[in-house]
Amino acid sequence: GAVVSQHPSRVICKSGTSVKIECRSLDFQATTMFWYRQFPKKSLMLMATSNEGSKATYEQGVEKDKFLINHASLTLSTLTVTSAHPEDSSFYICSAPWAGNTEAFFGQGTRLTVV
Amino acid sequence: KQEVTQIPAALSVPEGENLVLNCSFTDSAIYNLQWFRQDPGKGLTSLLLIQSSQREQTSGRLNASLDKSSGRSTLYIAASQPGDSATYLCAVRPRDSNYQLIWGAGTKLIIKP
Repeated sequence: GAVVSQHPSRVICKSGTSVKIECRSLDFQATTMFWYRQFPKKSLMLMATSNEGSKATYEQGVEKDKFLINHASLTLSTLTVTSAHPEDSSFYICSAPWAGNTEAFFGQGTRLTVV
Repeated sequence: KQEVTQIPAALSVPEGENLVLNCSFTDSAIYNLQWFRQDPGKGLTSLLLIQSSQREQTSGRLNASLDKSSGRSTLYIAASQPGDSATYLCAVRPRDSNYQLIWGAGTKLIIKP
């Protein structure tokens, strides 16, 4: 199956700093990638759809200026959590559909802790 | 709006038992349904994917069924082992979505040795 690599797997940062999370499709091109957030004991919630070469599409209630998404190439999308606060602490996971396949493939996820 | 519910939220059973995890969804217009496993602090492992035209899929000790008309899916785990302990998530891909998935909150499964 296709491989999606997400980095870092864990990060601890101080309040007020920014954190960048990378999502790479290793053996296929992905014009679209999805970013999800998982709250404790809750469902994964779609945050935004990342589109190569154009602006991301954010879900209702997600702050665009706080969660910056860049999809600069067909194999890389980044999520930057800006001016992080403790309430941004969560598990973030990306996925990328593979053209011609019926399922999307997931990265390993990033556990963000803001202290 | 599609909603996915998983019951129970948590389940603890002795090793060796067969068990069933449940997933229900409100809109039958789905492209497929997928079961995942998530270990604590880790990413997702895809277990089984059932297309809307299929009734079930099997992989080893796992069997997933799909009844689209009633909006239900079950994940059957045979001869459970402590290594099966994890959170199991189901997700549906709505027919009109662009690979986006709608997720249940998961069932946390503990298999006691």
